[in-house]
Amino acid sequence: GAVVSQHPSWVICKSGTSVKIECRSLDFQATTMFWYRQFPKQSLMLMATSNEGSKATYEQGVEKDKFLINHASLTLSTLTVTSAHPEDSSFYICSAANRATEAFFGQGTRLTVV
Amino acid sequence: QKEVEQNSGPLSVPEGAIASLNCTYSDRGSQSFFWYRQYSGKSPELIMSIYSNGDKEDGRFTAQLNKASQYVSLLIRDSQPSDSATYLCAGDQTGANNLFFGTGTRLTVIP
Repeated sequence: GAVVSQHPSWVICKSGTSVKIECRSLDFQATTMFWYRQFPKQSLMLMATSNEGSKATYEQGVEKDKFLINHASLTLSTLTVTSAHPEDSSFYICSAANRATEAFFGQGTRLTVV
Repeated sequence: QKEVEQNSGPLSVPEGAIASLNCTYSDRGSQSFFWYRQYSGKSPELIMSIYSNGDKEDGRFTAQLNKASQYVSLLIRDSQPSDSATYLCAGDQTGANNLFFGTGTRLTVIP
């Protein structure tokens, strides 16, 4: 399958600081990338859909000013969690879709806000 | 009604048996369906995709799609302990380029 690389795999930050997570499709061009959040023992929750060169579409209840998404190229999307708080601690996963709408996931980022 | 529904399990099967995972969906316009495997603490991994009615086989895995009844299933033959994971069913949304995920079924294969 296609390769999607997500970094960092884990990060610990202080409350009030910002954290940037990168998602790269390594061997295909992804016009659309998705950002998910997953709390323990729960399924994936779609946060936003990101199309290259345009603003991201956020799901209801997701604060767009807090979770900044940039999709500047066909192979890179970034998620910045601004002014992080302990309740933002979660597993953040990106995925990139190919033309067949198959979604390939990055390794995920475990964010812990202390 | 949730777009994609799965029995959350847990489902336990003995090693060597057939594990059957089921999923129903509500959007009749959905065309693409996927099964992902997720090990604890890891990201989901695509194991099967299916677009047409009928069966699709890949090794020990068989995906089945019935659009009339709006269900998708995954059969795992000769189950192995390494198959123990959460299996997520996903379907696309009509007119959109995102997937709806079920809540996942926890499978345990007992040695």
